[in-house]
Amino acid sequence: GENVEQHPSTLSVQEGDSAVIKCTYSDSASNYFPWYKQELGKRPQLIIDIRSNVGEKKDQRIAVTLNKTAKHFSLHITETQPEDSAVYFCAASQGSNYQLIWGAGTKLIIKP
Amino acid sequence: EAGVAQSPRYKIIEKRQSVAFWCNPISGHATLYWYQQILGQGPKLLIQFQNNGVVDDSQLPKDRFSAERLKGVDSTLKIQPAKLEDSAVYLCASSPGLATEAFFGQGTRLTVV
Repeated sequence: GENVEQHPSTLSVQEGDSAVIKCTYSDSASNYFPWYKQELGKRPQLIIDIRSNVGEKKDQRIAVTLNKTAKHFSLHITETQPEDSAVYFCAASQGSNYQLIWGAGTKLIIKP
Repeated sequence: EAGVAQSPRYKIIEKRQSVAFWCNPISGHATLYWYQQILGQGPKLLIQFQNNGVVDDSQLPKDRFSAERLKGVDSTLKIQPAKLEDSAVYLCASSPGLATEAFFGQGTRLTVV
């Protein structure tokens, strides 16, 4: 079946540095790619999403890039802060009803 | 704006027992999702409703799981009989439509012993 691979599973960066999380997907028809942040014991929340008709989207310190040819997309967080510590999930849509296939998650640790 | 409401928050049952979860989505949201999230993994879609119709239930173990969305609003997810491997957090989410932001409820943590 369709799947989404996410790397790394754990990422530790110094506060103020940048963090990059990468995902690859298998369904070439996928056209919607959201990123969710889940803090410990809390619900996932959307932080940014991108559609296949654009290659990059930015929102303050967060950006997402999409390479449709290579079927991968990445989350970039600049000037990381302690509150960025969480698990981040990528997802890719499949089918005409945009069912989401989720990655396994990346635990981001911001070191003070 | 009220968020997605789920109940109960926690449930402990013995294997082979039955359990039901309830979800009230954000008013006006046409799309409702039930996800299963096992500890350390990403959410896995169990079923997706568009209004009161099922658009995807390909990953729902239909021999033991069932779900319905009455009048296109509230939804219930039932497991009967439960197995040990059903221990997980069950998340309900809703969105205004397809390929739009999904808003999640607090989830129900199910432990099967």
